[in-house]
Amino acid sequence: NAGVTQTPKFQVLKTGQSMTLQCAQDMNHEYMSWYRQDPGMGLRLIHYSVGAGITDQGEVPNGYNVSRSTTEDFPLRLLSAAPSQTSVYFCASSRLAQYEQYFGPGTRLTVT
Amino acid sequence: RKEVEQDPGPFNVPEGATVAFNCTYSNSASQSFFWYRQDCRKEPKLLMSVYSSGNEDGRFTAQLNRASQYISLLIRDSKLSDSATYLCVVNEGFQKLVFGTGTRLLVSP
Repeated sequence: NAGVTQTPKFQVLKTGQSMTLQCAQDMNHEYMSWYRQDPGMGLRLIHYSVGAGITDQGEVPNGYNVSRSTTEDFPLRLLSAAPSQTSVYFCASSRLAQYEQYFGPGTRLTVT
Repeated sequence: RKEVEQDPGPFNVPEGATVAFNCTYSNSASQSFFWYRQDCRKEPKLLMSVYSSGNEDGRFTAQLNRASQYISLLIRDSKLSDSATYLCVVNEGFQKLVFGTGTRLLVSP
């Protein structure tokens, strides 16, 4: 099992550009989520999904879109990148939120 | 007030020492609790779940106090490899996890 994979590992964007961060898991987990981690802020939930076709907003959803067309994939789209979106992004999956979360290795995004 | 609060540290301890971290949470309806470990520039990984009765896993002991709304983690006989950031995580229900900012531990020879 590859677990949770994320691509790319590093990305630099200019303000206003859009991009998609990819996340995939091969553990047949229903629950998937996206977090951003900033110094002194902890991990903050952006969006989550409890199954294919079902998504919901977390604590900091503005500027991000998600979709869940399959159990395996949960991409995160930045619509128009802003410097405030410079962060480390982690994708995670689990059976449900109350179980162990398996994290991907993260994507380090810089917006200039 | 933050929903989950932790002392950021760092806690500097020598090898073999016992160290304890506390974490407080604000939502009394929170349902489940965890400690995760995060090494520098790596993803978080589950250290242990925290049960109402308390639980132990080798050198690690976790306790939950629902009345006072805090969770603790005790590490006995610290090893150099225990150096990391320890994240307190609370499941507030509705499939939402809230992470603390983490407590940094540095174990020195």
